[in-house]
Amino acid sequence: EIVLTQSPGTLSLSPGERATLSCRASQSVSSNYLAWYQQKPGQAPRLLIYGASSRATGIPDRFSGSGSGTDFTLTISRLEPEDFAVYYCQQYVSSPWTFGQGTKVEIK
Amino acid sequence: EVQLVESGGGLIQPGGSLRLSCAASGFTVSSNYMSWVRQAPGKGLEWVSVVYSGGSTYFADSVKGRFTISRDTSKNTLYLQMNSLRAEDTALYYCARGINWNFVGAFDVWGQGTMVTVSS
Repeated sequence: EIVLTQSPGTLSLSPGERATLSCRASQSVSSNYLAWYQQKPGQAPRLLIYGASSRATGIPDRFSGSGSGTDFTLTISRLEPEDFAVYYCQQYVSSPWTFGQGTKVEIK
Repeated sequence: EVQLVESGGGLIQPGGSLRLSCAASGFTVSSNYMSWVRQAPGKGLEWVSVVYSGGSTYFADSVKGRFTISRDTSKNTLYLQMNSLRAEDTALYYCARGINWNFVGAFDVWGQGTMVTVSS
């Protein structure tokens, strides 16, 4: 099973700042098979990025994904008030598909 | 409008069975890659199972042998049959659609979830 470790656990930032979230895999993950999701309280997750760097439909361009192999990054260039949420990475290169434990982006 | 609506959750005793349903609209379940993902209260996301458009199915080790996934073409509905339920199966269960054949595990459409509580 591929274990995904996200860091930091919590990121305290102000609106307008840049957020950099990390996702490290225990084994190499082909970049086609890495996704990022945003989840707000009481809501289902929302797909942000798939294939490590492709934005899903309707996702603002302030969200970007990068990385390869075992190290991946989600960057939010300028935080908007609606971006404060929990973010998960996920791999689907091999079963069982797994999620990271999440990074909470909170208002400082 | 593309939409998924889950139902069937509830309170069930350990060892019991439950069947979850996920009704789709705006697209065809049998032509897509459909998964179940769960989230225990206050915890992260856990993938549970997937059924490919061709019918192949896969399960997380934690549910293998106890859960089955299926679909009804006439009702455009996905199901999760859960047997031998345990307290650790308590979670909000989401159904979700994979984007396409190349990104089957990237879920672009999610339901609102149905809660399963396993307790005596």
